[in-house]
Order: sequence, then structure tokens, then C-alpha cells
Amino acid sequence: GQNIDQPTEMTATEGAIVQINCTYQTSGFNGLFWYQQHAGEAPTFLSYNVLDGLEEKGRFSSFLSRSKGYSYLLLKELQMKDSASYLCAVYDSNYQLIWGAGTKLIIKP
Amino acid sequence: ETGVTQTPRHLVMGMTNKKSLKCEQHLGHNAMYWYKQSAKKPLELMFVYNFKEQTENNSVPSRFSPECPNSSHLFLHLHTLQPEDSALYLCASSQALGQGGETQYFGPGTRLLVL
Repeated sequence: GQNIDQPTEMTATEGAIVQINCTYQTSGFNGLFWYQQHAGEAPTFLSYNVLDGLEEKGRFSSFLSRSKGYSYLLLKELQMKDSASYLCAVYDSNYQLIWGAGTKLIIKP
Repeated sequence: ETGVTQTPRHLVMGMTNKKSLKCEQHLGHNAMYWYKQSAKKPLELMFVYNFKEQTENNSVPSRFSPECPNSSHLFLHLHTLQPEDSALYLCASSQALGQGGETQYFGPGTRLLVL
């Protein structure tokens, strides 16, 4: 079966750095997405990785290793507004998007 | 962000009611999706439409009936639902299907409670 694993919940301090991991086992791979979802709101696109390596976008970076079936989302200089759920999703060989259950990130002052 | 809108935002219905959820996208996309989101579970893909044609129906019970009259509008008709159908129903759109790397853009969802 196809599966995406991410931690259920993480806690971090305002101003710090946090890394949210995602591992996947899918039939094929055609790209990996990270989305942010605030409570009661729509998931919003953060990043897309299809090649190995690090993609940096402001305070957020996303890393991919296809050989390890692994990605992480790195959030720097955490702000209270970063409290949200972070969803990892992978396009499989049929271009179906497989979703993880999301990681709820709690930021404390 | 008003690229994808959904109405109503909240809905409470009894098991014998019939209601419809509406989704509209203003992004010029050709693919639209319905997802179910339950607490602490992955998003469950329900239906996919590409250029108004349904391409995916992931074993969804017949009490959920989708309709896509054009590439900008998507409906989900609900009838005789069960309490376990209570969830957040999300609509999304993307440029097209099957080309890889297609970012999906989501609406704010309809929070459904079935009593």
C-alpha cells in the first residue's frame, strides 16, 4: 500500500527553528508538496520538490531525498502565526496525490 | 485568497435531509476535486473532474453525488448521510491532470455536521 508518515504534533519556541519530517512509500514518485493549513482554513501551498536537494523560500525550506523516500520542511525564525498543521503529499506514478495526516505545529512564546 | 470559494462554510443536517455543497474556482483551471478531511486523518480524495469529465470516484458511497456543469463550478449533492460523514469537505482545483507537479489550490471548506 501507499503510505506517508509525519509526526502528529510538534512544539517549538518563537524565534527558534523546527524541522518537520515526512517519509513516504509510494508506487512511483512524481513530486512532493508541503502545504500549510491553519485551523478552519484552506490548505495553502508552501513548496514543491521533484529533484533531490534543498529548496529555500524565505523562512521556509524544503528538502528531498528520493533514494531515502524522505523530505523535511524547515521553518526558521518561528513566529506565532506559524502555528498550523503542515501537510506532506506525494504524486505517485499515476499522478495521484497521496496525503499524509499532517503535523500540528504549536509555537510557544 | 479568493481563487477557490465554497458555500456554505458550515452546514448542519439531519440524516434524512438533502443538501448541496458548491465550489467555484476563478483561476482558469481545468481540474477540480472533492476531498473529505477528518480529524487526524489524511485527506481522502472523493471525486476528480478534468475538463468537466469525472475521472475518479474513490469508492465513495452513493449518498454523495458530484456534479460538474463547467470547469469553474463543482457541486456535491448530499442525501441520507450518516453521522460518520461529519467532516470538513474541501474543494480544490489545478491547471490540469496527469502532468505532474500540478499544484492544487484549495477552498476554505464546508464544515458538515450530520445529526
